[in-house]
Amino acid sequence: EVQLVESGGGVVRPGGSLRLSCAASGFTFDDYGMSWVRQAPGKGLEWVSGINWNGGSTGYADSVKGRFTISRDNAKNSLYLQMNSLRAEDTALYHCARDLWYSRGYYMDVWGKGTTVTVSS
Amino acid sequence: QSVLTQPPSVSGAPGQRVTISCTGSSSNIGAGYDVHWYQQLPGTAPKLLIYGNSNRPSGVPDRFSGSKSGTSASLAITGLQAEDEADYYCQSYDSSLRVFGGGTKLTVL
Repeated sequence: EVQLVESGGGVVRPGGSLRLSCAASGFTFDDYGMSWVRQAPGKGLEWVSGINWNGGSTGYADSVKGRFTISRDNAKNSLYLQMNSLRAEDTALYHCARDLWYSRGYYMDVWGKGTTVTVSS
Repeated sequence: QSVLTQPPSVSGAPGQRVTISCTGSSSNIGAGYDVHWYQQLPGTAPKLLIYGNSNRPSGVPDRFSGSKSGTSASLAITGLQAEDEADYYCQSYDSSLRVFGGGTKLTVL
């Protein structure tokens, strides 16, 4: 069964750091790009960051650029999101998702259930 | 303010047909990038519903269909069922970013 399981969420003070992980199983991890997508409480989906199959290409939403870093370890079938300088507006449920790229864009065909990040003093 | 614009809510009675619009611009949908749709049932993760404007992944009923024209796209649901009550999101590509619509809450009356 294709599965993505996130972990690492929690409560952190403004200005603090957190590292999220996503464990992939049921598919050949290094055949795919991956993304992080977040959903603030009661709000819609927001793409946060994406990475290609070997980590050689990454992208970030303007709202997190310079503060968040996406990475992956293909030997461990794992995706990560290092979040620094956290703000209250980063409070959300963070999903990892499998990215599919083709000539006319990207879409996400497998999603994890998410891990919750709360930034509060 | 989302890059792609969706109506906040739509509703329909069981058995009816509803459509959800997704309006973009010349830098995303109008630039030739495809539109994809996701369904999010209450308390669950999003699920891919339509990819590449009009393609259904395996297991998605043919009651769901998608189309694209110009700078807009639409999701149509026919034979509405109670279990279709969910949030629906469109998604495309713009300036090296994946972009989502703000989401549409579908209520089955």
